[in-house]
Amino acid sequence: SQQGEEDPQALSIQEGENATMNCSYKTSINNLQWYRQNSGRGLVHLILIRSNEREKHSGRLRVTLDTSKKSSSLLITASRAADTASYFCATATKTSYDKVIFGPGTSLSVIP
Amino acid sequence: EAGVVQSPRYKIIEKKQPVAFWCNPISGHNTLYWYLQNLGQGPELLIRYENEEAVDDSQLPKDRFSAERLKGVDSTLKIQPAELGDSAVYLCASERQGPQRNTGELFFGEGSRLTVL
Repeated sequence: SQQGEEDPQALSIQEGENATMNCSYKTSINNLQWYRQNSGRGLVHLILIRSNEREKHSGRLRVTLDTSKKSSSLLITASRAADTASYFCATATKTSYDKVIFGPGTSLSVIP
Repeated sequence: EAGVVQSPRYKIIEKKQPVAFWCNPISGHNTLYWYLQNLGQGPELLIRYENEEAVDDSQLPKDRFSAERLKGVDSTLKIQPAELGDSAVYLCASERQGPQRNTGELFFGEGSRLTVL
């Protein structure tokens, strides 16, 4: 079963534009994470936001979390061709062992 | 530090044959995960270990899948017998425990791509 759902499923933008991806989830969480996966590779952790945080920045990445709406967004500013990848949100649910569940992902294409 | 190492990277087998995947997590990471990823989808949890204890194996199809982490370090995931629908990428990830709970940052290996013919 998957807890998170990313939106859109696919996104194509020009280099230099901003890319926004959204994630909605169903049950209460301890934290929410975003990962990137280049084609044929493993996932790479980008950023983690805890349930008591509302916004977090890391370089060109900005993540917001709205626990009342059970949603998060990932903004990549000034996109580059190298940002082309699939992006997944993952939630650590409030169980005794913080089960980490991934959404289906957003496929981002940045056109040079 | 060395990352999560998985082998083999690719495996092609006939249906009904057995297959095994190996994972060496990052040194000092107590938590180890096995995920299955189908093409175009997100990873789905198969099993999670805290040291040598399997704390969540509810998603593991136990009729044909088995896993072990005998000394709380390396882990193996086995499928016997493999079916056509098992074709997927099998990802291993590890996580460090913080003072009170897990840090929440998973480190993934490159994955083992299985093709069942």
